[in-house]
Amino acid sequence: EVQLLESGGGLVQPGGSLRLSCAASGFSFNAYAMNWVRQAPGKGLEWVSVITGSGGNTYYADSLKGHFTISRDNSKNTLYLQMNNLRAEDTAVYYCAKDRFMTAVADSFDYWGQGTLVTVSS
Amino acid sequence: DIQMTQSPSTLSASVGDRVTITCRASQNIKVWLAWYQQKSGKPPKLLIYETSRLERGVPSRFSGSGSGTEFTLSISSLQPDDFAIYFCQEYFYRNATFGPGTKVEIK
Repeated sequence: EVQLLESGGGLVQPGGSLRLSCAASGFSFNAYAMNWVRQAPGKGLEWVSVITGSGGNTYYADSLKGHFTISRDNSKNTLYLQMNNLRAEDTAVYYCAKDRFMTAVADSFDYWGQGTLVTVSS
Repeated sequence: DIQMTQSPSTLSASVGDRVTITCRASQNIKVWLAWYQQKSGKPPKLLIYETSRLERGVPSRFSGSGSGTEFTLSISSLQPDDFAIYFCQEYFYRNATFGPGTKVEIK
């Protein structure tokens, strides 16, 4: 069974940093690109970033380039999102999501974690 | 950037109704469109990918069609479990953009 479990969210002051993690199991982690998607309270979904299965290529939403860094450790089956200089508008539930197809990069997302809430507030 | 719009933003319907949601892309995305269902406090659930391919385990009352810039999600006979928010998503090229969502509520 595929499982994705996010952690690392919490309350952080504006300008602060957080690193989110997503522990994956139940599939060949290094064969799939992985994504982060966020959802502000009561709002829609916003795709954040994708990283290829090998970790060799990363892509970001234009509005977030330079703000977040996606990475992965295939030896630990874990995806990361390093978030720096956080702003109030980064407050959201952050989901990790798996690409449906092995050959894709930012595809449809067939499995999602339950999400971790990041709150940026003083 | 590709922009996605959905209509209507809210849809009131009864159990047994046929409902249709429209999604439009700001440029040609061929067939690279997916649909998701989201219920309160839960992550989205993939319903349809590549415009019309039904995800495993999704009931056949859901269907998708379209190409290029205009797409539809149809539910042939609305069931109580279908009251939720539906999002479309384009994935044309190493990027993804979601539509703003359509809330399907009980009439």
